Amino acid sequence: DAGVIQSPRHEVTEMGQEVTLRCKPISGHNSLFWYRQTMMRGLELLIYFNNNVPIDDSGMPEDRFSAKMPNASFSTLKIQPSEPRDSAVYFCASRRTGANVLTFGAGSRLTVL
Amino acid sequence: AQKITQTQPGMFVQEKEAVTLDCTYDTSDPSYGLFWYKQPSSGEMIFLIYQGSYDQQNATEGRYSLNFQKARKSANLVISASQLGDSAMYFCAPSRGAQKLVFGQGTRLTINP
Repeated sequence: DAGVIQSPRHEVTEMGQEVTLRCKPISGHNSLFWYRQTMMRGLELLIYFNNNVPIDDSGMPEDRFSAKMPNASFSTLKIQPSEPRDSAVYFCASRRTGANVLTFGAGSRLTVL
Repeated sequence: AQKITQTQPGMFVQEKEAVTLDCTYDTSDPSYGLFWYKQPSSGEMIFLIYQGSYDQQNATEGRYSLNFQKARKSANLVISASQLGDSAMYFCAPSRGAQKLVFGQGTRLTINP
């Protein structure tokens, strides 16, 4: 079991650039979650998917953020255009239906200059 | 929206002492269970323990146990015989069926030698 795999682990970009964060959930897990963590706001749930379908995107901060899950083994979180206030650690997590554990990836640390 | 309160932003404890970290939530839904996660300085989110809403006994996992009081809507984490490696941020998250985890602001625990 390779765990939840996120890439890149670190990204530094300039304001206005497009950022794409990637996530591979654990095989067999059918729910996927994207979180953002900052000092000011703590851990925020941005969006989650069940069986590749977005269920709740109420945490997505604005239209610059979008997330997709084209298949059961891959999801992306895209920010376009990026802004300095988007600087944060972005976590992806996955869960198998009925299981009482949510497994997190190692996170992607984004810095927007 | 679900409100989660972790009233202790920071705690300092001597090694080998027991620690209780507080967590309260404000839902009237009796089906809510509760998760606790640990985040060490390295940044990963580590699952510690889960208490199901209808579990008759408080959950235990090694040195971790939950003091779950549904009527008071609280689920405090107890760490027995604390160790230096327990120094970390601790987050609680109530959830119905683990569908949507919304985390509290966390408690930073420091274990002193």
